[in-house]
Amino acid sequence: DTEVTQTPKHLVMGMTNKKSLKCEQHMGHRAMYWYKQKAKKPPELMFVYSYEKLSINESVPSRFSPECPNSSLLNLHLHALQPEDSALYLCASSPQGGQFNEKLFFGSGTQLSVL
Amino acid sequence: SQQGEEDPQALSIQEGENATMNCSYKTSINNLQWYRQNSGRGLVHLILIRSNEREKHSGRLRVTLDTSKKSSSLLITASRAADTASYFCATDAWGAQKLVFGQGTRLTINP
Repeated sequence: DTEVTQTPKHLVMGMTNKKSLKCEQHMGHRAMYWYKQKAKKPPELMFVYSYEKLSINESVPSRFSPECPNSSLLNLHLHALQPEDSALYLCASSPQGGQFNEKLFFGSGTQLSVL
Repeated sequence: SQQGEEDPQALSIQEGENATMNCSYKTSINNLQWYRQNSGRGLVHLILIRSNEREKHSGRLRVTLDTSKKSSSLLITASRAADTASYFCATDAWGAQKLVFGQGTRLTINP
């Protein structure tokens, strides 16, 4: 299995809702990432988990809350989002923990719209 | 600050022609990577070239790296309609331990 699976593929939520994005990989990778991508822009790093511990937080607002329940799963909990948070949210993984500059394996993303 | 800048921002060519995209960066790197993204989808890794390498090939793809000029190029030969996508370079500055993506080149292959 060489895939990173993200669910849901599309999500529409109101500013008062609470929702979660999910990401799963079964490649035995020890680093997992969340990226945010606005239309026609490059992906921007949000969080990195290494060996299930948060290693990098790129000063992301607290309305985004990551969670890594085990080595295969990564969640992104969303609460009280703003319309400007509408974007494509990408999950990625890489084989080695502690080394975040190697080849990344991306999921297909969740297209989020905040109304 | 952004690490990678790409040009052109957009490129439109006829099927069968070669496509060349360039990436420039500011600080010393350990490696440089190229990714492809089809519209609204995830990124797919194409090639990784390390700072001590000058050229790498993968199928119809050829990547060069010139560390003295802090630049890289991606050449796609004999383009196909399926090559239509956005192409991003990604670099890691020494000590940064993370990848930073360039602005990307939007490539359109016309049949």
